[in-house]
Amino acid sequence: QVQLQESGPGLVKPSQTLSLTCTVSSGSISSGGYFWHWIRQHPGKGLEWIGYIYYSGSTYYNPSLKSRVTMSVEKSENHFSLKLTSVTAADTAVYYCARATTATRAFHIWGQGTMVTVSS
Amino acid sequence: DIVLTQSPGTLSLSPGERVTLSCGASQSVSSSYLAWYQQKPGQAPRLLIFGASNRATGVPDRFSGSESGTDFTLTISRLEPEDFAVYYCQQYGSSPVTFGQGTKLEIK
Repeated sequence: QVQLQESGPGLVKPSQTLSLTCTVSSGSISSGGYFWHWIRQHPGKGLEWIGYIYYSGSTYYNPSLKSRVTMSVEKSENHFSLKLTSVTAADTAVYYCARATTATRAFHIWGQGTMVTVSS
Repeated sequence: DIVLTQSPGTLSLSPGERVTLSCGASQSVSSSYLAWYQQKPGQAPRLLIFGASNRATGVPDRFSGSESGTDFTLTISRLEPEDFAVYYCQQYGSSPVTFGQGTKLEIK
């Protein structure tokens, strides 16, 4: 069973760049047939979609975050990454990675999430 | 953006009861690309229903989904203690992907 695991700093200073990685285990990110997503959840709030990347490197970002978001895929490491620039306290959230099949497009598999706090 | 409005915000029910959760979309959801997720405290969301009415792998058959135009429903035929959680609908047919604000099921 494929598993996803987010990793990265739990604390980021305002104006800096948030960098997270999602490592894929028991499956290959290069196999195609999947979209690899990032989603976040502000404390006590609902879910916000950040964007996705395909194994080929093609991306699609939420327009509300597009100017600050970059996603990349590292096939040799079997992981994909999220960078969010110029962070503020409003970016404090639990960040999840998830996998969706190109067939159903629903988010069948999720990582456990990682809490990122933006504070000086 | 497609806005999904879930109702009610909170439901207080007892185990064994039947419950229907609603999700209304501000416009047509492409190809019935509507999903339902369950989230328990401290956990990631879990996919329950995709394509409006298809149960995900391992989801008990007491969960069912349906659609009528731009209105979608999640029904739990008989609540089990482990079903008390927050439920989100999601549309993934149009960009950006959007989620409803959630319905919390709490034990009465």
